[in-house]
Amino acid sequence: RKEVEQDPGPFNVPEGATVAFNCTYSNSASQSFFWYRQDCRKEPKLLMSVYSSGNEDGRFTAQLNRASQYISLLIRDSKLSDSATYLCVVGVTGNQFYFGTGTSLTVIP
Amino acid sequence: SAVISQKPSRDICQRGTSLTIQCQVDSQVTMMFWYRQQPGQSLTLIATANQGSEATYESGFVIDKFPISRPNLTFSTLTVSNMSPEDSSIYLCSAGQGRTEAFFGQGTRLTVV
Repeated sequence: RKEVEQDPGPFNVPEGATVAFNCTYSNSASQSFFWYRQDCRKEPKLLMSVYSSGNEDGRFTAQLNRASQYISLLIRDSKLSDSATYLCVVGVTGNQFYFGTGTSLTVIP
Repeated sequence: SAVISQKPSRDICQRGTSLTIQCQVDSQVTMMFWYRQQPGQSLTLIATANQGSEATYESGFVIDKFPISRPNLTFSTLTVSNMSPEDSSIYLCSAGQGRTEAFFGQGTRLTVV
C-alpha cells in the first residue's frame, strides 16, 4: 500500500468554481502534513501546511482528520492561475516526506 | 525558509556514463533528501542524506547506483552511475528541518541517450 494516496484527476473546473482534493495516508505515526503545488516543469512549492484544527489562507482551506488519516484541500473561487498539480505530502518519523501522485487541476475560462 | 541551488539544471548523457548533481543550501539544515520524478509521476524518495554518515536508501535504490555525499550541513551530491535510458528523469534535492516543510531545488532534468 502506498504511503500517500490521492485522486490523480484531472479536475477541469470553470473559473469561480469551488474544488476539493482529498488525500489519505497509511502511516498513523505521520507527524506533519502539507499541500504542495507543482507547475509544469517546475519544482514543488509549499502551498500550505495542514493542522488538525484546520487552516485557511485566502481562498484555500486545508483540513486534517487524524482519526481517518485523511487530508483535504478546498479551493474557492478558482482562478486560471490555480491550474497546476497539487501534491499531498506527509512527513513521517526521521523527517522523511512522502508524496502523493498529485492531483491535476485545470481551471477553464 | 531555505534557498536551495541545484545544478546542473539539465543534462543529456550517454548511457554507461555517470552524472553528479550538486545541491547547495543557503543555511545549515539537518536533513537533505534526494527524489526522482519520472514523467507524469509524483516524487519518489531515493535516499536521505545524513551529514557525517552514509545515506539511508529507500527500497529499490542502492548506493552503488546512486552514491550520495553529504560533507557538511549545507551541501550534498547525488551521482547517477552507469546510466541507462531508464534513468531519464527529473532529480530533485530537498532540505527540511524537523517537522517543518521541505524546500526544493529547481531540479535536474536528465536525459540518457
